[in-house]
Amino acid sequence: GNSVTQMEGPVTLSEEAFLTINCTYTATGYPSLFWYVQYPGEGLQLLLKATKADDKGSNKGFEATYRKETTSFHLEKGSVQVSDSAVYFCALSQGGSEKLVFGKGTKLTVNP
Amino acid sequence: EPEVTQTPSHQVTQMGQEVILRCVPISNHLYFYWYRQILGQKVEFLVSFYNNEISEKSEIFDDQFSVERPDGSNFTLKIRSTKLEDSAMYFCASRGQGARTQYFGPGTRLTVL
Repeated sequence: GNSVTQMEGPVTLSEEAFLTINCTYTATGYPSLFWYVQYPGEGLQLLLKATKADDKGSNKGFEATYRKETTSFHLEKGSVQVSDSAVYFCALSQGGSEKLVFGKGTKLTVNP
Repeated sequence: EPEVTQTPSHQVTQMGQEVILRCVPISNHLYFYWYRQILGQKVEFLVSFYNNEISEKSEIFDDQFSVERPDGSNFTLKIRSTKLEDSAMYFCASRGQGARTQYFGPGTRLTVL
């Protein structure tokens, strides 16, 4: 079945550092890919998405490119802030119901 | 901006009791979902619902679980006889017609004692 593998955390960075969180997927066909973020004590918020190969999703300085050849959707940000501290989930959706399949999540802590 | 809401935010119950978790999806959305997240683990799909019936369910969603859309706005998840292992955060999500993005509510933390 479909699955998502993402970099295990936790990840700790200093403010203004470069961030990469790796995400790869296994799926038949062409799933849609998402990054969701969960801030402490809150629910899941959509961060960005890409629905077809070579699409780049971007939001709040974060970017991820749908790479079909490497089945990857790595999340990047050039300069992280303390407010980016959260858990980041990579996910895919496919099929009639478009149910989401999530990775395990990566906890990011950004120190001032 | 429209959002998905869930009540209660935290529910504590005794093992064997029935619980109903409530969700109000975004008003013009047609597809509804429940997910759960056991503490420290990944978010898992439970069930999807469209046109007043279940469109897909996971192995987790056994006979103890049921979903209902009792009126035009609410979407509920019922657990008939709770077990300790049902303790988790339960998220509701909704999606519009033709869209790929699901919007999540803030979750209900269920604690079974």
